[in-house]
Amino acid sequence: DIQLTQSPSFLSASVGDRVTITCRASQGISTYLAWYQQKPGKAPKLLIYVASTLQSGVPARFSGSGSGTEFTLTISSLQPEDFATYYCQQVNNYPRTFGQGTKVEIK
Amino acid sequence: QVQLVQSGAEVKKPGASVKVSCKASGYTFTNYYIHWLRQAPGQGLEWMGMINPSYGSTDYAQKFQGRVTMTGDTSTSTVYMELSSLRSEDTAIYYCTRVWTDYYDYWGQGTLVTVSS
Repeated sequence: DIQLTQSPSFLSASVGDRVTITCRASQGISTYLAWYQQKPGKAPKLLIYVASTLQSGVPARFSGSGSGTEFTLTISSLQPEDFATYYCQQVNNYPRTFGQGTKVEIK
Repeated sequence: QVQLVQSGAEVKKPGASVKVSCKASGYTFTNYYIHWLRQAPGQGLEWMGMINPSYGSTDYAQKFQGRVTMTGDTSTSTVYMELSSLRSEDTAIYYCTRVWTDYYDYWGQGTLVTVSS
């Protein structure tokens, strides 16, 4: 199984901050990676797919990059509604696997 | 609009089975795979398996082989996930998701399954 390791696991930031989350894969997955946002009590929401393509309706302050084994999710200017947990997911192989999550909290 | 509506919360005893439903609407049911995932309390997301609603073909994560069964009913646009021999570690929220070009674009609201004696 492909393991995904996110860093950091926890992040404290202020509104307006630039935030970067990293996801490392245990083997190369090309650009077969997605990012999801999950708020408490809600199902995850697709933000980015194919590593860098923004899902329809997702604000442009979210961006993704990377290929192979290293990927990043960047929020250019953190907004109050962005405080949530973020997960990366690989879709290169089965079983599908997720990173352990990065919780973004208000400083 | 696309919706996946799941059945309500369940409380089960160890050793029992649970069957969770996921009713799709707003799109052609047979055109998209459905995947099932789960999330234990305070934990991350775990992939359980998938079903092709058009043919009923399935593929399960090795961890759940022999314990999980996914089925579909095209007449009601509903898929089901049944998990047997429940143990306390199966306490989790179970999600169905629609797969669009390998990615999960729509999710059910989640079904909490609690396993407790």
